[in-house]
Amino acid sequence: GQQLNQSPQSMFIQEGEDVSMNCTSSSIFNTWLWYKQDPGEGPVLLIALYKAGELTSNGRLTAQFGITRKDSFLNISASIPSDVGIYFCAGHTFGNTPLVFGKGTRLSVIA
Amino acid sequence: KAGVTQTPRYLIKTRGQQVTLSCSPISGHRSVSWYQQTPGQGLQFLFEYFSETQRNKGNFPGRFSGRQFSNSRSEMNVSTLELGDSALYLCASSLRERADTQYFGPGTRLTVL
Repeated sequence: GQQLNQSPQSMFIQEGEDVSMNCTSSSIFNTWLWYKQDPGEGPVLLIALYKAGELTSNGRLTAQFGITRKDSFLNISASIPSDVGIYFCAGHTFGNTPLVFGKGTRLSVIA
Repeated sequence: KAGVTQTPRYLIKTRGQQVTLSCSPISGHRSVSWYQQTPGQGLQFLFEYFSETQRNKGNFPGRFSGRQFSNSRSEMNVSTLELGDSALYLCASSLRERADTQYFGPGTRLTVL
């Protein structure tokens, strides 16, 4: 089946640093989503992207829908301790197919 | 607007028992998807319902089943529980029929002893 390759798997950064993570696929997607999950909770939708080349921000978060439709990037600027969690990318191809998820990037922020 | 709600939040069962989990989508959302999340396997798709019809099903045994009611609320059932069924079960709802933008509930943590 379809797979999303999400990298890096984990990151340890200093508070105040910027963070970048990405998701790639061998297939084309028409929607890219980025979620954050805190321990024991459900994923929370951060940003949704619907057009190739689209760049969308949500506060300190910025995500981009790759031009090839096969990748997406999430950047977090000036990280703070509450950014700690697991970030998931998800993609949707067409019609009534289910979402495909990456395996997540675990972010740790050192104060 | 209230988010996706799931009940119960925590559940402990023993092997061989069965369990029913409930999900109420965001008001107006008609698509509901279910996922199993474990540390080793990540988010695994179980099934998706739209207008009381199952539209997609993941690669899980027949012990896993679900349904959706006319008010869009959904339930999933796992029969003959196994130790490996211990996981966080997540429900997500979508406004669009395409179910491409999903909003998750807090999950039900199932522990099988």
